[in-house]
Amino acid sequence: QLQLQESGPGLVKPSETLSLTCAVSGGSISTDNRYWGWVRQPPGKGLEWLATIYYTGLTFYNPSLKSRVAMSVDTSRNQFSLRLSSVTAADTAVYYCARHYDHLFDFWGQGALVTVSS
Amino acid sequence: QSALTQSRSVSGSPGQSVTISCTGTSSDVGSYNHVSWYQQHPGKAPKLMIYDVSKRPSGVPDRFSGSKSGDTASLTISGLQAEDESDYYCCSYAGTYTWVFGAGTKLTVL
Repeated sequence: QLQLQESGPGLVKPSETLSLTCAVSGGSISTDNRYWGWVRQPPGKGLEWLATIYYTGLTFYNPSLKSRVAMSVDTSRNQFSLRLSSVTAADTAVYYCARHYDHLFDFWGQGALVTVSS
Repeated sequence: QSALTQSRSVSGSPGQSVTISCTGTSSDVGSYNHVSWYQQHPGKAPKLMIYDVSKRPSGVPDRFSGSKSGDTASLTISGLQAEDESDYYCCSYAGTYTWVFGAGTKLTVL
């Protein structure tokens, strides 16, 4: 069974860069036609798609965040990462990594709460 | 890219049917049959319930069904059960390799 696990700092200072990694187990990140994405959820609010990556490094970003967001993939470690720069309190959220293909998200990590505060 | 519009809350009694709507635009829901629905219990990760408007992943009860008309997609839950009480989110492909979620609907089973 495919499993995803987010990791990274739970507290980030305003104006700094948020960095999270998603480790994939139970399957290869390099599987054809399987993409990998990030979705976040501010406290008490809805879901927001952030970005998606293919194992080749091809990336797709939410236009509203495009200037601040970046994804990368490490096939040797079977993991992918998210970087969000110049964070503010509005970026405080639970960040989920998920397998993303054929326009659906079928396997999700448990989520990682990241708080932006000085 | 604006969030898809969902009613904030809906309720029903056990055994009844409820429908949750998700309204987008001609640029997302109206243009693509790539609408998915997710169930999210408090403190848990979302779970895929419906994809491509009306397809159910294996393991999802057939009480859950989806449909679409124009710019609005709908999730119908029939034979409502207590464990269906949850938040539900729709998601649509919005073109140019972007996706947009709805704001979420809280389902209460009375």
